[in-house]
Amino acid sequence: EDKVVQSPLSLVVHEGDTVTLNCSYEVTNFRSLLWYKQEKKAPTFLFMLTSSGIEKKSGRLSSILDKKELFSILNITATQTGDSAIYLCAVESPPTSGTYKYIFGTGTRLKVLA
Amino acid sequence: SAVISQKPSRDICQRGTSLTIQCQVDSQVTMMFWYRQQPGQSLTLIATANQGSEATYESGFVIDKFPISRPNLTFSTLTVSNMSPEDSSIYLCSVSWGISYEQYFGPGTRLTVT
Repeated sequence: EDKVVQSPLSLVVHEGDTVTLNCSYEVTNFRSLLWYKQEKKAPTFLFMLTSSGIEKKSGRLSSILDKKELFSILNITATQTGDSAIYLCAVESPPTSGTYKYIFGTGTRLKVLA
Repeated sequence: SAVISQKPSRDICQRGTSLTIQCQVDSQVTMMFWYRQQPGQSLTLIATANQGSEATYESGFVIDKFPISRPNLTFSTLTVSNMSPEDSSIYLCSVSWGISYEQYFGPGTRLTVT
């Protein structure tokens, strides 16, 4: 069965710290992995990764994929209180019955203290 | 990306009643999905809304309980039928332009069933 596992489940840090969030997966015919930030209701898209070793970067956030070891990491440097959120990882699952879908991990709840 | 709206944003309903949630996108999209996020949980895919044909439901979800319509490439509805308190969740629609494209989420509908 396809699955996505995120760690840690929760994390409390202080402003200025650097955090690394992990996402490992077991999916046949991997196509892509997505990272989202969820603050209230709607997850906000952060990155989409399809190739190993190519870092995606946006400001203080960066992410990289390792297709050999089947995991991805999301790094946040110089954390701010506004980074407090749930970070979700999703992996594209191969199509069944003519459609495709993303499988979501349980998320990492990050709290950044002032 | 796309601008996605959902209505209603929240509702409190009595058990045994039904609620229809609408999802509108500002551009034509290939794929539309409906997710449920129960309190403290990650996202679970309910179904993929297919334009012009019946929705594709995930294991554990059935059409009688969650009928879905998708009359065109910019609009879909999800009905939660014969509600019970266990249906209290955030319901999210998402859109994508195809395999290995990013997936974007609507603002969500917070449903409470009493």
